Amino acid sequence: DAGVIQSPRHEVTEMGQEVTLRCKPISGHDYLFWYRQTMMRGLELLIYFNNNVPIDDSGMPEDRFSAKMPNASFSTLKIQPSEPRDSAVYFCASRATDEKLFFGSGTQLSVL
Amino acid sequence: GESVGLHLPTLSVQEGDNSIINCAYSNSASDYFIWYKQESGKGPQFIIDIRSNMDKRQGQRVTVLLNKTVKHLSLQIAATQPGDSAVYFCAERPGYSTLTFGKGTMLLVSP
Repeated sequence: DAGVIQSPRHEVTEMGQEVTLRCKPISGHDYLFWYRQTMMRGLELLIYFNNNVPIDDSGMPEDRFSAKMPNASFSTLKIQPSEPRDSAVYFCASRATDEKLFFGSGTQLSVL
Repeated sequence: GESVGLHLPTLSVQEGDNSIINCAYSNSASDYFIWYKQESGKGPQFIIDIRSNMDKRQGQRVTVLLNKTVKHLSLQIAATQPGDSAVYFCAERPGYSTLTFGKGTMLLVSP
């Protein structure tokens, strides 16, 4: 298996622009998580899905952030409009019914 | 131990030494713990996990120790190698909730 696949690896955009991050979980994993990593706050859980259904989005910072999982093999995290404080590394992770999370390589987002 | 603010605690060791990375967890209801390694530019990678009904678990060159009395977790790496240089995170899970990650410890291994 190729593992969790995220795209793009790097995204540089200007304040106010829409940003879409993409994730393909490991096949057969029915949980998908979106995390944000910064030096100040470490790894923060934004939202997670079980069987494509959002279960807990309490970590989503504000209405500018939205996430979807239209099918078992694809999820997006969208920021609209983006702000400089959104600059961070965004990770997608997936797992099966056991607890071991498998992370993607992340998307380094810079909002200028 | 875990960090406060901007600066990660750093452990510097010589190649071949044993390393011990510590973690204080916060929730006495946590029943599952996991260690991850994160190399520069990569996502966190699973190392080893332990459930609260155990106090020790061994893997290949790694051992995790759990002390529930003082809510303390440690990761021991035997014969540390330069490739072990990374940031190490502990995570805890209370009940059926999701993993909560610590802020990490940087391990630097010099040849």
